[in-house]
Amino acid sequence: ETGVTQSPTHLIKTRGQQVTLRCSSQSGHNTVSWYQQALGQGPQFIFQYYREEENGRGNFPPRFSGLQFPNYSSELNVNALELDDSALYLCASSLRTDYGYTFGSGTRLTVV
Amino acid sequence: GQSLEQPSEVTAVEGAIVQINCTYQTSGFYGLSWYQQHDGGAPTFLSYNALDGLEETGRFSSFLSRSDSYGYLLLQELQMKDSASYFCAVSSISGGYNKLIFGAGTRLAVHP
Repeated sequence: ETGVTQSPTHLIKTRGQQVTLRCSSQSGHNTVSWYQQALGQGPQFIFQYYREEENGRGNFPPRFSGLQFPNYSSELNVNALELDDSALYLCASSLRTDYGYTFGSGTRLTVV
Repeated sequence: GQSLEQPSEVTAVEGAIVQINCTYQTSGFYGLSWYQQHDGGAPTFLSYNALDGLEETGRFSSFLSRSDSYGYLLLQELQMKDSASYFCAVSSISGGYNKLIFGAGTRLAVHP
């Protein structure tokens, strides 16, 4: 049973650019959630996908968007990058009815 | 709104017992989880409480009082490898989906 894998592990982008982060869910998990974790802070909920549809969103602007594919892999897209978007982006997969999330190791995004 | 409070830092010695408290305010409360995160690593699920009382998993125990909106994580027989950040997280049902909201984390330092 594989865990959650994210790519890339590190990324440097320039302000105003766009970025796509990728996540492969744990086998058998049908729900994926994305989190943003600033240094020294707890993960902040961005949104959640179930059956390829966004079914919940945190307090993030529309320039944060996502996709979930039939194989339950997922993407996080961020447009018009800002310096404050620099953070660790975590993907977590779960079963819809389950309480235990499995997290990936994250993508460290630096916006300069 | 939703909020969780936990101490920012805790220090203890090897072999000791430490308790990390968490108080929360949320709507649609479903359960309280605890996650461990080592520097540079992914959050790892430790325990979950949906009902009042104590859940024990090896050296770790977690407690919940729903009437007090309070829980704690108890770590016994501390080891150096337990040095990490610990997050309490509320499972909240909102709009038909279950999302996980994290506290800011407690940094535990275990000394010889």
